[in-house]
Amino acid sequence: ETGVTQSPTHLIKTRGQQVTLRCSSQSGHNTVSWYQQALGQGPQFIFQYYREEENGRGNFPPRFSGLQFPNYSSELNVNALELDDSALYLCASSLQGPNEKLFFGSGTQLSVL
Amino acid sequence: DQQVKQNSPSLSVQEGRISILNCDYTNSMFDYFLWYKKYPAEGPTFLISISSIKDKNEDGRFTVFLNKSAKHLSLHIVPSQPGDSAVYFCAAEGSKSSGDKLTFGTGTRLAVRP
Repeated sequence: ETGVTQSPTHLIKTRGQQVTLRCSSQSGHNTVSWYQQALGQGPQFIFQYYREEENGRGNFPPRFSGLQFPNYSSELNVNALELDDSALYLCASSLQGPNEKLFFGSGTQLSVL
Repeated sequence: DQQVKQNSPSLSVQEGRISILNCDYTNSMFDYFLWYKKYPAEGPTFLISISSIKDKNEDGRFTVFLNKSAKHLSLHIVPSQPGDSAVYFCAAEGSKSSGDKLTFGTGTRLAVRP
């Protein structure tokens, strides 16, 4: 059973650029969630995908978008990067259902200069 | 608006003693609570959870207590071990609706001294 893997592990971008982060879900999981963890803060919910459809969204602007593919892998896209987007981006997979546990990847550390 | 609060950013405990990590929440709709542990350069890993219909859940050295009237939960680790040194996040979620999400606290960094 493979765990959740994310790529790349680190990324440096400049303000105004676009970025795509990737995530492979744990085997058998059909739901993927993305979280942003700023320095000194807890993870903040960005959105969740279930069966390739967005299934809930946190308080993030539309320039944060995502995709889930038939194999349940996922992408997070951020357009028009801002300095405050610098954070650790965590992907988590789970099974859809009551009180499902999230299994997190190690994250992508994004730095926007 | 911080709906889940961990007011102690750090805690240091002697090996073998009890570690108590605290968490408060403000949203009455939360009905399921979880603790995650995070080591550097790794993602958070699930530790233990509790439903609002219970007031205690135990798993080995880890016990979570829930006081619904006070909107407070705590994680007890006994005995504490050096390998328990990590950042601990409290998280909560509401009634099961589509796209439900976890709301995390800001974390408490636990250091267990040998």
